[in-house]
Amino acid sequence: GESVGLHLPTLSVQEGDNSIINCAYSNSASDYFIWYKQESGKGPQFIIDIRSNMDKRQGQRVTVLLNKTVKHLSLQIAATQPGDSAVYFCAENLNAGGTSYGKLTFGQGTILTVHP
Amino acid sequence: DAGITQSPRHKVTETGTPVTLRCHQTENHRYMYWYRQDPGHGLRLIHYSYGVKDTDKGEVSDGYSVSRSKTEDFLLTLESATSSQTSVYFCAIGSGNQPQHFGDGTRLSIL
Repeated sequence: GESVGLHLPTLSVQEGDNSIINCAYSNSASDYFIWYKQESGKGPQFIIDIRSNMDKRQGQRVTVLLNKTVKHLSLQIAATQPGDSAVYFCAENLNAGGTSYGKLTFGQGTILTVHP
Repeated sequence: DAGITQSPRHKVTETGTPVTLRCHQTENHRYMYWYRQDPGHGLRLIHYSYGVKDTDKGEVSDGYSVSRSKTEDFLLTLESATSSQTSVYFCAIGSGNQPQHFGDGTRLSIL
């Protein structure tokens, strides 16, 4: 079936650098995408989302880019800090707000390690 | 996470025993979800609920059942636990077209 995947399972950066985490999705009908951060022993925490009628959305230190042509999603973290170290998941939803009941399909995750 | 409580947080049990995990929310959200998380698989949807007494299967529903008798509680039951159901279980709540919010999980070990 359709699934969401990641290009890189691990990413190691220096404090202060910018980080880019990538995600490929295969369901061209997906219309809502979310990035989550998961720290050890905790549940996934919402970071930022984007709908398919947009190609970029910015939050505080984070930006999500959506390229529907190549079915690619990325999360950019500016001035990465040690507290950003975690596992990052992308998730997709088909027909958000319609009859999908908000069901999400998750990628496998990328481990981000930030070195002081 | 605020508004979502999972219980128990940890449980060890034996193969063949029944197990029930509870998810309680104080946000009055319509939708509730149960996921399991295993290494290399990310989060996979087990069952979900779109209202009181309204539930449906997710991607990995075999061996699991759910019940939702009131808005705030969503129960996940393993009728006869197997070692393959050793996992971390997460409950999430949502309103359909908004991001889901997750509890802190239940770590279940089946020996």
